[in-house]
Amino acid sequence: EAGVTQSPTHLIKTRGQQVTLRCSPISGHTSVYWYQQALGLGLQFLLWYDEGEERNRGNFPPRFSGRQFPNYSSELNVNALELEDSALYLCASSPFGDRGNQPQHFGDGTRLSIL
Amino acid sequence: AQSVTQPDIHITVSEGASLELRCNYSYGATPYLFWYVQSPGQGLQLLLKYFSGDTLVQGIKGFEAEFKRSQSSFNLRKPSVHWSDAAEYFCAVGAYDTGRRALTFGSGTRLQVQP
Repeated sequence: EAGVTQSPTHLIKTRGQQVTLRCSPISGHTSVYWYQQALGLGLQFLLWYDEGEERNRGNFPPRFSGRQFPNYSSELNVNALELEDSALYLCASSPFGDRGNQPQHFGDGTRLSIL
Repeated sequence: AQSVTQPDIHITVSEGASLELRCNYSYGATPYLFWYVQSPGQGLQLLLKYFSGDTLVQGIKGFEAEFKRSQSSFNLRKPSVHWSDAAEYFCAVGAYDTGRRALTFGSGTRLQVQP
């Protein structure tokens, strides 16, 4: 069974640019989550998508956005990049589940560097 | 709001020695608890999870964790550490309330294994 896949693995951008990160969940998983792992800030929840809808978002500005496609893959978009956006962006997936007691399985992440 | 504290930022143990990584959580209801491991340059791998029932849970790679409600703890243990266990370990609590599925992570414990 293929795990969560993310692309690209590395990106270098400059301030003010826009970036799109991609994630394919494990087959059969409908929920996709995005996390940011920045140096000194730890792992922080960004967004949760399920069945094509944004279900919840963390404490991030609106320039962080995304979407989920009918095949449950997802994109994370970041506009007007700032230096502090440099981080490892992790995608996770899980089945939805009635009680939410489904563990999240993570990809290897996209490392974004802002110059 | 939930929170997770991992009081040990860095731990060094000798190969073959036992290991215990500490995790304390704060959550208003019965928590869903997880331990993940992250090797350099990689994503997070789920080691084990606690949802309910037996308070001692077994995971992969010979790890186990014990949920102690009275101490709000979920410590990770391994009886004999291998050099390949060197990595960063994250404890997480799941906010599985309706409409929220974010994991809240501790700041991590970096494990170094001495030969």
